[in-house]
Amino acid sequence: AQSVTQLDSHVSVSEGTPVLLRCNYSSSYSPSLFWYVQHPNKGLQLLLKYTSAATLVKGINGFEAEFKKSETSFHLTKPSAHMSDAAEYFCVVTLYSSASKIIFGSGTRLSIRP
Amino acid sequence: NAGVMQNPRHLVRRRGQEARLRCSPMKGHSHVYWYRQLPEEGLKFMVYLQKENIIDESGMPKERFSAEFPKEGPSILRIQQVVRGDSAAYFCASSPAEYSNQPQHFGDGTRLSIL
Repeated sequence: AQSVTQLDSHVSVSEGTPVLLRCNYSSSYSPSLFWYVQHPNKGLQLLLKYTSAATLVKGINGFEAEFKKSETSFHLTKPSAHMSDAAEYFCVVTLYSSASKIIFGSGTRLSIRP
Repeated sequence: NAGVMQNPRHLVRRRGQEARLRCSPMKGHSHVYWYRQLPEEGLKFMVYLQKENIIDESGMPKERFSAEFPKEGPSILRIQQVVRGDSAAYFCASSPAEYSNQPQHFGDGTRLSIL
């Protein structure tokens, strides 16, 4: 069975400080992992994806994530938060060869303090 | 290069009515997915379709819900005899291929409100 856990439902940081959004997964097979961002009343936008290539994945808007198999983690980071980063972030795990078995985390709401 | 288009953006129905949600995938994409998002929750998979075929409907409620993706035209998610609990945001996503390492592209959703 596969699952994904986002450890924080809400994270608040000051503008210009680092961002860390945590995600742990459980999968019997080599997973594909994604981070999506959702702004209010909008759909989900892909930030980055891991598909068994480099373990450090760089995405859009300065975000990156590191796949750590030993820790079954795929945490999302950004060195310096910007006000426009305030949004909901979802970690997603999929089972290769089963496109419909896509599991979303419950989301982390990121707030940015001026 | 238009993205995934969903309409309407907002839909209000009274209990017992029917709701039809439409999704046009990105150009060149033949795989469509429907998700439901309740307030303060993540997305829950409902159904996965290819042109004229339902591949996986394991996330669809057994009654009142149906989906189609005809050879021509958009994918339709249909909810019959709506109830208050159907109020949610419904998102459609598309991808060019069936394998799960292809990212899905999402529409902006249809927010369904049941009076």
